[in-house]
Amino acid sequence: AQSVTQLDSQVPVFEEAPVELRCNYSSSVSVYLFWYVQYPNQGLQLLLKYLSGSTLVKGINGFEAEFNKSQTSFHLRKPSVHISDTAEYFCAVSSQGGSEKLVFGKGTKLTVNP
Amino acid sequence: GAVVSQHPSRVICKSGTSVKIECRSLDFQATTMFWYRQFPKQSLMLMATSNEGSKATYEQGVEKDKFLINHASLTLSTLTVTSAHPEDSSFYICSATQGDRGSLYEQYFGPGTRLTVT
Repeated sequence: AQSVTQLDSQVPVFEEAPVELRCNYSSSVSVYLFWYVQYPNQGLQLLLKYLSGSTLVKGINGFEAEFNKSQTSFHLRKPSVHISDTAEYFCAVSSQGGSEKLVFGKGTKLTVNP
Repeated sequence: GAVVSQHPSRVICKSGTSVKIECRSLDFQATTMFWYRQFPKQSLMLMATSNEGSKATYEQGVEKDKFLINHASLTLSTLTVTSAHPEDSSFYICSATQGDRGSLYEQYFGPGTRLTVT
């Protein structure tokens, strides 16, 4: 079974500052990793995913994440945030070769202040 | 591409009644659809996985007789909350996978349905 830990439930930052949202996972098998964003009262939108290959993954809206197998982490970063990045961010994993079920972390609320 | 819709977006029903939520893949055939439940300020909890033409697989602790799932076609899955009670009030989100190798393991999410049981 897999589990996902998002270490920060809330992250407040100022506009144009860099941000890192942390995600660690636990799994006995190899995994695929995802970051999703959720705006209020909406469904989830995929930001980026790691399936294989380069451990640095670039996604939409200027976000990127780095897969670190030894530290079982998949932290999300953006060098300069905008007010519009204010949202809930979820890290998720699914097992390679298994079902397509996703296990989500509890989410990190990113608030970008002017 | 890969758009998933849900209907209704918001529903209020009285305790003891049933409500049906539809999830449609608009521009692709969804081999698998997932139903999630999200309580306020919490993460998504998978309720069940449905494959077209077969019975849904429910997660542990989810009452299959209360949350009826029908995946009648490759573009439509429905979740019926039977005899709803106030504790069933939640945000229900569906997702779908395309099933082709290029999109393997990518789920496309619907916008969610806010259910309020009074």
